[in-house]
Amino acid sequence: DAGVTQSPTHLIKTRGQQVTLRCSPKSGHDTVSWYQQALGQGPQFIFQYYEEEERQRGNFPDRFSGHQFPNYSSELNVNALLLGDSALYLCASSLEGRNQPQHFGDGTRLSIL
Amino acid sequence: TQLLEQSPQFLSIQEGENLTVYCNSSSVFSSLQWYRQEPGEGPVLLVTVVTGGEVKKLKRLTFQFGDARKDSSLHITAAQPGDTGLYLCRSNFGNEKLTFGTGTRLTIIP
Repeated sequence: DAGVTQSPTHLIKTRGQQVTLRCSPKSGHDTVSWYQQALGQGPQFIFQYYEEEERQRGNFPDRFSGHQFPNYSSELNVNALLLGDSALYLCASSLEGRNQPQHFGDGTRLSIL
Repeated sequence: TQLLEQSPQFLSIQEGENLTVYCNSSSVFSSLQWYRQEPGEGPVLLVTVVTGGEVKKLKRLTFQFGDARKDSSLHITAAQPGDTGLYLCRSNFGNEKLTFGTGTRLTIIP
C-alpha cells in the first residue's frame, strides 16, 4: 500500500520562474492538502482540495494555485517565484471530513536562486 | 488569526531523562493531533485527541488534552535518541482551518 508520494524530491529554480509540484495521495484517500515549511518552522497551510475543487485556503497569494485530478492526485503551481518561496513543500492526504488524520509525503525541497 | 504556540522551541536533554512539551492556543480546539518529523521526511501522525481531559499513551509517550480544549501536552519518559525530531501539534479549531504549531525541536543526547 503506497503512501503519499511527491515529485520531484528536489528542485532548483530562479526568481521569476514558474514551478509545478506533484502529489499522489495514499490509496483510498480523496482529500489533498498542501503546506509550505520554511527551515526550522512548522508547516504553513496553503490550500486543500476535495472533489477537484479548492475547499480551504491559507494566507498565500494568488501566485500559489493548485489542481486536483479525477484520480485524486494533485499539483501545486507557483508563479513568479521569489527568493522567499524557498522551502519544503509538503503534500498530505486524508479522507474527507473533520478531524481526519493526514498522511504526509516526504516533500519537495524547492530552492530559489 | 488562530495560532498554536508550542514550547519550548528547542529542547536538548540526556538519554534516560523525562520531558514535557506543550501546545497552547487562545481558541478552543475541535481536535488536536501530534506529529513527529525527522530531517528529510514529512510529519508522521502520533495521536489524535478529541475529548477534553483525554489522556492517550503510546509506549513511553503520554498525550494529554486540556479540560478546556485549549492546550495539550506530550510527556516522554526515559527519552531515547530515536525520540529526536521536530514535534508538531495541529488543530482545525472546528472550522476546517488547518493549522500547525510552531514546533518543538527535541534532541536526545546519548
